[in-house]
Amino acid sequence: GQQLNQSPQSMFIQEGEDVSMNCTSSSIFNTWLWYKQDPGEGPVLLIALYKAGELTSNGRLTAQFGITRKDSFLNISASIPSDVGIYFCAGQNYGGSQGNLIFGKGTKLSVKP
Amino acid sequence: EADIYQTPRYLVIGTGKKITLECSQTMGHDKMYWYQQDPGMELHLIHYSYGVNSTEKGDLSSESTVSRIRTEHFPLTLESARPSHTSQYLCASSGTYGSLRGYTFGSGTRLTVV
Repeated sequence: GQQLNQSPQSMFIQEGEDVSMNCTSSSIFNTWLWYKQDPGEGPVLLIALYKAGELTSNGRLTAQFGITRKDSFLNISASIPSDVGIYFCAGQNYGGSQGNLIFGKGTKLSVKP
Repeated sequence: EADIYQTPRYLVIGTGKKITLECSQTMGHDKMYWYQQDPGMELHLIHYSYGVNSTEKGDLSSESTVSRIRTEHFPLTLESARPSHTSQYLCASSGTYGSLRGYTFGSGTRLTVV
C-alpha cells in the first residue's frame, strides 16, 4: 500500500528557532494535510493543501504541496514552547478505501526555552 | 458546537474484562475511524466505517470489534481485555465522499489493562 516517509523523526530545538519537516511518497496524492497532536490529545488539523505547488500559511506555520504531488513540507517560524508535540503529515486521494488518509509516522518536536 | 466525543478518557481495567469504548460525533459525518496509538508513536488504523451497517478492518490487525447502527455512533468493543491491548485509542470522522478536508479526531481513550 501507499506509504509516507516523514522526516525528521524527532527534533529538539531552542525557542525562537525555525523548524522544517517534510513528507515524501512514492505515489501521488490529491490532498496533503498536516496535523499536530498535543500530549494526551487527538491530532488537530493545521493546514490542508489541495493543489500542486500551493503554499499556505496559518500564523507561524507554512506548508507547501510539492509540484510532483509526491511530497509536502511544513515550516514553523520562531518556535515557542507550545509548539511541542507530534506533527503528522497525511496524504489523501479520492474514492473508496483510497479516500482514507495515509499518515506519516510523525515528527516529535521538543522546544527548549 | 459540532464535535466528536470519546468516553471514557482514561480506563484502567483487569485482564479478561469486556470493555466498550464510546465514540459519537455531531457533525453528520458518514465516515468514522478507529486508530490505535502507543504513546508518542505512529497512528495505526484498526477499523473504519463508511456509513450505517458498514464496517471494515484497517491496516493493523486488532482483536477488537466495531458496530455502526447509527450514523453518529461508532463504539469499539474488546470482549476480553489483555495487557497487550494497553494503548491509546483515537476515534475520527470525516465528511462524505469528495470531501477532502481530512479527519476530525476525538481526544482519545487511554486504556490500561492490568
